[in-house]
Amino acid sequence: GENVEQHPSTLSVQEGDSAVIKCTYSDSASNYFPWYKQELGKRPQLIIDIRSNVGEKKDQRIAVTLNKTAKHFSLHITETQPEDSAVYFCAAPSGSARQLTFGSGTQLTVLP
Amino acid sequence: EAQVTQNPRYLITVTGKKLTVTCSQNMNHEYMSWYRQDPGLGLRQIYYSMNVEVTDKGDVPEGYKVSRKEKRNFPLILESPSPNQTSLYFCASSLRRGAQTSSGELFFGEGSRLTVL
Repeated sequence: GENVEQHPSTLSVQEGDSAVIKCTYSDSASNYFPWYKQELGKRPQLIIDIRSNVGEKKDQRIAVTLNKTAKHFSLHITETQPEDSAVYFCAAPSGSARQLTFGSGTQLTVLP
Repeated sequence: EAQVTQNPRYLITVTGKKLTVTCSQNMNHEYMSWYRQDPGLGLRQIYYSMNVEVTDKGDVPEGYKVSRKEKRNFPLILESPSPNQTSLYFCASSLRRGAQTSSGELFFGEGSRLTVL
């Protein structure tokens, strides 16, 4: 099955700085890579995703890049704000894409 | 309002006392799944269902059962709960999932925090 590794497990940045979270996956057939954000006490929610036919996707202050050769993808958040503080999960499909395997999560803290 | 509803939200029980966590979605989604969330381990899939009467084991199915008799409902059953099943549980659904179809957004319920003493 798919193995998704996520780093770092915790990340603290100053407000206004950028944050980068990286994930690697093992199944070369994977073609869909979402990122979920979970605020404290809330449910995970999709914030951005990318499919394997593109290398980068942006949505305002967040972007995701994908390197299929190296089998890794990254979440980039620019001009961080306190409301960006949350746990972020990457994910990749497995089991003929019937399952979605999540990384272990990154606790992002944006310091004022 | 489109949503995934789980009940109960909080439960404290004792070892061996059977319990069921219900999950219902009103979006006519084909795919439903259960995850457990533990510190440092992320979200691990317990069971999933591609459609009515079709269920499959995820990565951590031991000690759990599920059923999918109706499209909207996907209950999680703990026949004999043990302390290592103390966790935060999330039900999730998506329109469909599979290699040949759009792998769309997973919609999560609010979570059920279970403590087994």
